Amino acid sequence: DAKTTQPNSMESNEEEPVHLPCNHSTISGTDYIHWYRQLPSQGPEYVIHGLTSNVNNRMASLAIAEDRKSSTLILHRATLRDAAVYYCIRVTGANNLFFGTGTRLTVIP
Amino acid sequence: EAQVTQNPRYLITVTGKKLTVTCSQNMNHEYMSWYRQDPGLGLRQIYYSMNVEVTDKGDVPEGYKVSRKEKRNFPLILESPSPNQTSLYFCASSVRDTYNEQFFGPGTRLTVL
Repeated sequence: DAKTTQPNSMESNEEEPVHLPCNHSTISGTDYIHWYRQLPSQGPEYVIHGLTSNVNNRMASLAIAEDRKSSTLILHRATLRDAAVYYCIRVTGANNLFFGTGTRLTVIP
Repeated sequence: EAQVTQNPRYLITVTGKKLTVTCSQNMNHEYMSWYRQDPGLGLRQIYYSMNVEVTDKGDVPEGYKVSRKEKRNFPLILESPSPNQTSLYFCASSVRDTYNEQFFGPGTRLTVL
């Protein structure tokens, strides 16, 4: 089962850090963790991905647990433009992606 | 500008009337894919293509056809649409496969009456 588990919704105050959790307890050694987000009325947008080590890019950081059964997407300073649905995806093969229902992030001004 | 385009963006049709949703990318990507998005179900993959003339089924292929005659285009064909195909459809592309960043189009909202 390639599914991941995420909270349905989270809230954050503007300009504060946000930690979005994801559980992928059945992950195998070659599976990657990808994060995408979907802003209102838009297609999904790639955020970050990783395999074992923590990863940073201009949008966010990804912290992967040592046992790889969970990960956390970190937005260092939430802005109103970060309000979106965030999807944690376990990529098990080169061919398909299963999105799940994601976490709806609300940013409070 | 690097992008994935879809047409039409909105379509209302009737049961059984064949339709095609076009998808085009200008990034010379090998991998292209179609998804549908429904409330409470997230995005589900319909079909994907690893390269020209190479297509395969995703999670929910029933009622859909695709073709990949050119690298840049990946049309989605509904031969006989039914109301349960009312959905929001997204096309996506990536350099090689799903391990790479996927770029999504703006979506096509389809209503089948």
